[in-house]
Amino acid sequence: DAGITQSPRHKVTETGTPVTLRCHQTENHRYMYWYRQDPGHGLRLIHYSYGVKDTDKGEVSDGYSVSRSKTEDFLLTLESATSSQTSVYFCAIKDDRETPLHFGNGTRLTVT
Amino acid sequence: QKEVEQNSGPLSVPEGAIASLNCTYSDRGSQSFFWYRQYSGKSPELIMSIYSNGDKEDGRFTAQLNKASQYVSLLIRDSQPSDSATYLCAVNEASGTYKYIFGTGTRLKVLA
Repeated sequence: DAGITQSPRHKVTETGTPVTLRCHQTENHRYMYWYRQDPGHGLRLIHYSYGVKDTDKGEVSDGYSVSRSKTEDFLLTLESATSSQTSVYFCAIKDDRETPLHFGNGTRLTVT
Repeated sequence: QKEVEQNSGPLSVPEGAIASLNCTYSDRGSQSFFWYRQYSGKSPELIMSIYSNGDKEDGRFTAQLNKASQYVSLLIRDSQPSDSATYLCAVNEASGTYKYIFGTGTRLKVLA
């Protein structure tokens, strides 16, 4: 999986609790992305990063924040989890502008 | 809202037949196009990248791009039951933000 590790792989949490998902890469790629995947909606971009401390919002960023203090790590935080954030979360990385995204194995998050 | 459209399927083809998967996109300035395969419960894996008009072949797979019609397709020759999966079309957002938009995917079933 192109040197991408997502953790945890599965998590169950309660509504209102904070949750942080981690994406770690060993490829030294510049770009990192967080997507969520839900039935009927496909993959939707939450946030992405184009360098250390450089991030931008995607189409479904409300309720999520991100941080990237090192090239290899991109964290996704749900400040106060809601049931609508139950989903499968994928991290992806890419190198220069003409290369495709490569995905991690995903994190299945359930908010009860 | 920039969009990538795919027929959700399922598309059923007999083993050995050609499967044809289609994708249209709304952003006329998009330059990079990708096909991913996703097995149930797994992460998307890259099959093909295509950047210029015409056909690109890789083994049993052929990607076709027509930028004037804003249309990209994937042909799978000699379809095998192991090709049964969801196929995702992805397109870069032409604004230079390095965002990638995904279609909701077409589910392919290859019947033995």
